[in-house]
Formats: sequence, C-alpha cells, structure tokens
Amino acid sequence: DVKVTQSSRYLVKRTGEKVFLECVQDMDHENMFWYRQDPGLGLRLIYFSYDVKMKEKGDIPEGYSVSREKKERFSLILESASTNQTSMYLCASSLTSGRRYTGELFFGEGSRLTVL
Amino acid sequence: AQSVAQPEDQVNVAEGNPLTVKCTYSVSGNPYLFWYVQYPNRGLQFLLKYITGDNLVKGSYGFEAEFNKSQTSFHLKKPSALVSDSALYFCAVRNPSGAGSYQLTFGKGTKLSVIP
Repeated sequence: DVKVTQSSRYLVKRTGEKVFLECVQDMDHENMFWYRQDPGLGLRLIYFSYDVKMKEKGDIPEGYSVSREKKERFSLILESASTNQTSMYLCASSLTSGRRYTGELFFGEGSRLTVL
Repeated sequence: AQSVAQPEDQVNVAEGNPLTVKCTYSVSGNPYLFWYVQYPNRGLQFLLKYITGDNLVKGSYGFEAEFNKSQTSFHLKKPSALVSDSALYFCAVRNPSGAGSYQLTFGKGTKLSVIP
C-alpha cells in the first residue's frame, strides 16, 4: 500500500515563527502536493511538485514556500506564521504515467496547525 | 479552468435507506472524476474513480457512482446507508490534458450524517 506520512499531526506555533511541515511518500511517486483544508472552503492547492527541485504554485501560494530536495520528501514552509494560516494541511502524492498509473492522489493523515 | 460543485453542505439519511451525494463538474475535455471520504481528523481516503468505460463505477465500502456526461454529474450512491458511513465526502475532477493536468480540483465537501 502507498504510504504518505506527515511528520506532525498537531502543531501549535506563535505568530511570526517559522514552521516546517514535512511529508514523505514511499511509492516512488513523481508528483507531490500540499493542500490546505478549511471548513466551507474544501481543499485548496498551495503548491505542487512534479519532480525533484521542481515546484509550481497552486491556487493560494502566498505566505508559503516549498522544498523538494529528494523525490520522496516534500516540505511546506511558513516563513512567518500568521493566525490566518491556522488550518489543516494535507500532503498528497501521485504518479504521472506508466504501468502503475491509476490517476488518483494518495493522502497523508494531515497536520493540524494552530497559530496563536 | 476546471471546477466542481457539491450543492449540498449536509445530507441526512436514515440507516438502511439509500443515499445520494451530488456532484457536478466543469472541465474542458474528458474528465477524470473521483470521490474521497474523510473521517474526523484524518486524511482523505480514495473511494472510487471514473476514467473511461462503464458509466457506473463501483468502489470501496459498497459505494458506487454514475457518470452522466450530458448532465456533467458524478453522483455518489449507496443502496443502504450505515451509521459508519457518516463522514465528509469530496468530489474531485482532473483534466488529463493541458497545464496543471497532474492536480485534482476538489469540491467543498458534503457532510453525510446517517441517523440510527
């Protein structure tokens, strides 16, 4: 089974702190994604990466950055956390194509961040 | 741009009754369509998908969905609801060609409550 692991399930940070959210997948997927989930707004894409060291902005990239130095790891960085970044953050991965391609995204368990 | 609408924020159904969770989509080209389920404080779990072929797709936990191209709909259904089906359900669409073709666009979610 595909496993997407998010390092922290719950975090509490203070305004202005730098926050790192880590995500690791073990299925050699090319694509990795960071979504933010808020009640009534569904999932919104922050950033995605289709290869090592490659990144693309999603719908709401402001206030965030990402890093993908290795294929299996995709980090989301909040340079200076703000209260409006309190949310559930979901990491996902997928294949691009090929024999194992099935189309869907595989999600981690989520990281619930509270910024005070 | 692609989009997904889930017109009902909440659906209530009695245990044992059939359930339907509605989804309509907008995408240029032939869509890939997905349903995910989320239990409280958990990540999203894949339920089923439509890529091509038979319009009626069967998935996990007894769920099925019907692709209707003329109505641009992909409603999720189950013949007999269980209390354990109570969760948040997300519909998603992927345009398999063009820019951003790796990512999924999600609806805002529908909370399903199955009443004993």
